[in-house]
Amino acid sequence: QSALTQPASVSGSPGQSITISCTGTSSDVGGYNYVSWYQQHPGKAPKLMIYDVSKRPSGVSNRFSGSKSGNTASLTISGLQAEDEADYYCSSYTSSGTWVFGGGTKLTVL
Amino acid sequence: QITLKESGPTLVKPTQTLTLTCTFSGFSLTTSGVGVGWIRQPPGRALEWLALIYWNDDKRYSPSLKSRLTIARDTSNNQVVLTMTNMDPVDTATYFCAHRTVVTGEPADYWGQGTLVTVSS
Repeated sequence: QSALTQPASVSGSPGQSITISCTGTSSDVGGYNYVSWYQQHPGKAPKLMIYDVSKRPSGVSNRFSGSKSGNTASLTISGLQAEDEADYYCSSYTSSGTWVFGGGTKLTVL
Repeated sequence: QITLKESGPTLVKPTQTLTLTCTFSGFSLTTSGVGVGWIRQPPGRALEWLALIYWNDDKRYSPSLKSRLTIARDTSNNQVVLTMTNMDPVDTATYFCAHRTVVTGEPADYWGQGTLVTVSS
């Protein structure tokens, strides 16, 4: 299974909205509503931000939202804040009964 | 409160076998629906899913690493052990263990802090 495809970097100014895409295949992203998104700050463990395409764990800001269309999932962050600057990874369940991650996207808040 | 912590060698030589232990608390690996998995991250690179073991001893492995990985549980000590054979410098990474449940689809909801393993002679 190949890694999911994410843009290497995105950027935005405080208060703006950004969207990170995550492209897979019909054997992973397109085949299941089991896409999740993680935020990772340097030297820290990843933090779950979105699960099952669009659900937010308790405590995660509603500025974070997820969606999916076909084989591509998206993470949108609205009202960008300085603390949102981090690496973001998508993940999907696969037809092999395993999981695959994306290559990661570095978000810079200008 | 769910916590997980990885332990094991920080340095291994090429061709050696790596054994990592995940010690957890706040849940039981005998509870229906619970799993513990391993995910790694080479320095400056992306996350890679490795393996998972469920409450019923069902095991899943990354297809690309399946021949080198073994995951096992010790329910009496609340531990999960991952072994990886024939280590190579490209296996240098931070190795995370993590909790998941079958109620939702993410590979991990709670993560350990990770342990850096360097492969070098």
